Amino acid sequence: GNSVTQMEGPVTLSEEAFLTINCTYTATGYPSLFWYVQYPGEGLQLLLKATKADDKGSNKGFEATYRKETTSFHLEKGSVQVSDSAVYFCALSDASGGSYIPTFGRGTSLIVHP
Amino acid sequence: DAGVTQSPTHLIKTRGQQVTLRCSPKSGHDTVSWYQQALGQGPQFIFQYYEEEERQRGNFPDRFSGHQFPNYSSELNVNALLLGDSALYLCASSPPGQGSFEQYFGPGTRLTVT
Repeated sequence: GNSVTQMEGPVTLSEEAFLTINCTYTATGYPSLFWYVQYPGEGLQLLLKATKADDKGSNKGFEATYRKETTSFHLEKGSVQVSDSAVYFCALSDASGGSYIPTFGRGTSLIVHP
Repeated sequence: DAGVTQSPTHLIKTRGQQVTLRCSPKSGHDTVSWYQQALGQGPQFIFQYYEEEERQRGNFPDRFSGHQFPNYSSELNVNALLLGDSALYLCASSPPGQGSFEQYFGPGTRLTVT
């Protein structure tokens, strides 16, 4: 079956530091990959997505590249802000069999200090 | 434009009771999915409703049931509550033609079973 593995958190950084959150996946077909962000007390928001190998998704300074050869979709940001503190979820959606139901990782908490 | 709304925000129930959670999708969306998010975990898919019918279902027992109304709003019902049902319940809606490929999440209902 499909699965998503994320690095354990929390990830604690100082403002303006470089961020990487690792994500690897297992899928039976050719999935689309997503990063969602969840701020405290809120639901999930789609941050970025990539639908095929070598695609790069980007939004709000975050980016991730779909690497089929390493089955990875690592999230990066060059300079984090305190307002980026949240939980980040990597997810895949595999259309094989007509199902688009996403599979989520366990989430990685990011804490950014001033 | 209102996003996905859910009610109530918080709920406390006793083991063995029944609960109903409600969701109104984003304007123009016709598909509603429900997820259970346990503390420290990623969302787990419960089921999806489209055209007032359950289209797909995750690995949840029959105690979890749902309904979709003609205006696309939806309810999640859980019978015979167990302590393990304590979680954040998220509703997500999708626009026509997207299936669940791209989802917009509500803020969730926090259910506590004592």
